[in-house]
Amino acid sequence: DVKVTQSSRYLVKRTGEKVFLECVQDMDHENMFWYRQDPGLGLRLIYFSYDVKMKEKGDIPEGYSVSREKKERFSLILESASTNQTSMYLCASSTTVMNTEAFFGQGTRLTVV
Amino acid sequence: RKEVEQDPGPFNVPEGATVAFNCTYSNSASQSFFWYRQDCRKEPKLLMSVYSSGNEDGRFTAQLNRASQYISLLIRDSKLSDSATYLCVVESYNTDKLIFGTGTRLQVFP
Repeated sequence: DVKVTQSSRYLVKRTGEKVFLECVQDMDHENMFWYRQDPGLGLRLIYFSYDVKMKEKGDIPEGYSVSREKKERFSLILESASTNQTSMYLCASSTTVMNTEAFFGQGTRLTVV
Repeated sequence: RKEVEQDPGPFNVPEGATVAFNCTYSNSASQSFFWYRQDCRKEPKLLMSVYSSGNEDGRFTAQLNRASQYISLLIRDSKLSDSATYLCVVESYNTDKLIFGTGTRLQVFP
């Protein structure tokens, strides 16, 4: 059974803290994604990685960075958490083959207080 | 203009009804298209890919119109279990970036 696993389901952090969200996939997928999902705004792409150490900015990269040191792991980093980063964060992975499915993790609900 | 646009709904329909959703995309070079389904408090899951020739999977039919840059999803004989948010997804040209629409919420009532 294919799997994308996010390290936490729920997280509460204080303003100004450095926050790490971890995502691991076991399908040997080349592509990995970080999205945030907010009511009325849908899923917005934060960062995308198509290979180890390779990354591309998505639509809303400000305030975030990412790390992909190993193929199976993609980390999202909030350098200094702010209340407007309170959101649901979803990680996904896919292959480079056209028209194939992207698989999502269960999501991390992050609250910044 | 957003890269992928959908009517957010909600669409409230009775069981047995036929309902259709449309989605428009702005990048004419986009190469792959999908419909995902997201249940409340769950992650999105692939419903179906959308091919140029159109494709059908049981009660679900997806169509792609490249000239007008829109994708549609038709659900026939709606079931209560079809209640969910339907997300239109476009894969960017020359990258594998997946761009999501905001989703269309469907509520099927008895």
